[in-house]
Amino acid sequence: DGGITQSPKYLFRKEGQNVTLSCEQNLNHDAMYWYRQDPGQGLRLIYYSQIVNDFQKGDIAEGYSVSREKKESFPLTVTSAQKNPTAFYLCASSYRSLYNEQFFGPGTRLTVL
Amino acid sequence: DAKTTQPNSMESNEEEPVHLPCNHSTISGTDYIHWYRQLPSQGPEYVIHGLTSNVNNRMASLAIAEDRKSSTLILHRATLRDAAVYYCILRDVGGSNYKLTFGKGTLLTVNP
Repeated sequence: DGGITQSPKYLFRKEGQNVTLSCEQNLNHDAMYWYRQDPGQGLRLIYYSQIVNDFQKGDIAEGYSVSREKKESFPLTVTSAQKNPTAFYLCASSYRSLYNEQFFGPGTRLTVL
Repeated sequence: DAKTTQPNSMESNEEEPVHLPCNHSTISGTDYIHWYRQLPSQGPEYVIHGLTSNVNNRMASLAIAEDRKSSTLILHRATLRDAAVYYCILRDVGGSNYKLTFGKGTLLTVNP
């Protein structure tokens, strides 16, 4: 089955700790994205990558970092510099064309205690 | 990205049609109209998209006004599984911006 996997589904961390969220896709998509969603709100773009070894900041990149060493993988690190990290994090992928839909993973709910 | 306006919530009965409106009065000629929906505690899923002509697929229909300043997502027979937040998004294919800009969407409740 083709799709996007995110792990874990729920994650708890202590304040001040860095945490890395996993995102893997086997859809052969070039582009991958990370979004953040707060309760009752829409999604906001954190980072996106159009090709391997290249990525761009989205609207709310401060306190986050990413890497894109493989086409299939786009991990997101939430650093201690992120002031309010508790949120629902969604990874997506698509073909590079702007006409194409984005496919989303099931999300990771991060709670920082 | 051009802005869209949607009602905060709508209610429907099971097996009845649902018309979800979206206003986008500042739409540009290179903006495609995309619809996504998000079921509770899940990631969004693509529903449909169009430019000028009405579009149909297995999930829904998209009716686009002649002046393109508004559109309507039509679910022909709502089921309980259609209860979700529906997002209307404009996507400019004239540039190189790959992101989707999500607003708050419309929360659709389907009554049995």
